[in-house]
Amino acid sequence: ETGVTQTPRHLVMGMTNKKSLKCEQHLGHNAMYWYKQSAKKPLELMFVYNFKEQTENNSVPSRFSPECPNSSHLFLHLHTLQPEDSALYLCASSQWHSQNTEAFFGQGTRLTVV
Amino acid sequence: QKEVEQNSGPLSVPEGAIASLNCTYSDRGSQSFFWYRQYSGKSPELIMSIYSNGDKEDGRFTAQLNKASQYVSLLIRDSQPSDSATYLCAVGLDDMRFGAGTRLTVKP
Repeated sequence: ETGVTQTPRHLVMGMTNKKSLKCEQHLGHNAMYWYKQSAKKPLELMFVYNFKEQTENNSVPSRFSPECPNSSHLFLHLHTLQPEDSALYLCASSQWHSQNTEAFFGQGTRLTVV
Repeated sequence: QKEVEQNSGPLSVPEGAIASLNCTYSDRGSQSFFWYRQYSGKSPELIMSIYSNGDKEDGRFTAQLNKASQYVSLLIRDSQPSDSATYLCAVGLDDMRFGAGTRLTVKP
């Protein structure tokens, strides 16, 4: 496989459920990101990991819990979500501090909270 | 709060025309600027990056950057129906921030 792969592609969960989103990159990058994309709103940067270390957490509610076990894998653990958390969750990877590199995105997980 | 502003559109141009997309940003220290294209139901894909003031051309696409005015734009020449998509302006490097996107429709 190449690029950035996210699973599952679609997820429907109840407000009391616990689920996890998975992201894997095969590009040799050392930085990974979670973004949230809601309708008619900008892509929101949620978490940034550089060499497995979290470098940014943009005031994201604690019901979202990221995990980065190595530079190729990134998880987003979800628990007790709210309907307003329904959105497209995008994972991206890039080479940290390298100006001449782009961020590659996965296909996203479409999350619906019921 | 670092902000990136775009006109949400929709912007509609006839096939063969020039489409002009604009973006402003609030962080004066920003050094890296990107334009992504996002088709409906798909993830964003990079089409242009620019780091220095002036113009950068790649095929039918030209990115323009003016750091003094905190302004970046994208011109699409000879627009094609396949260019119909939402165009996202992104600013920054390791904490890349996005605008809300401009929806472009190219009519045959």
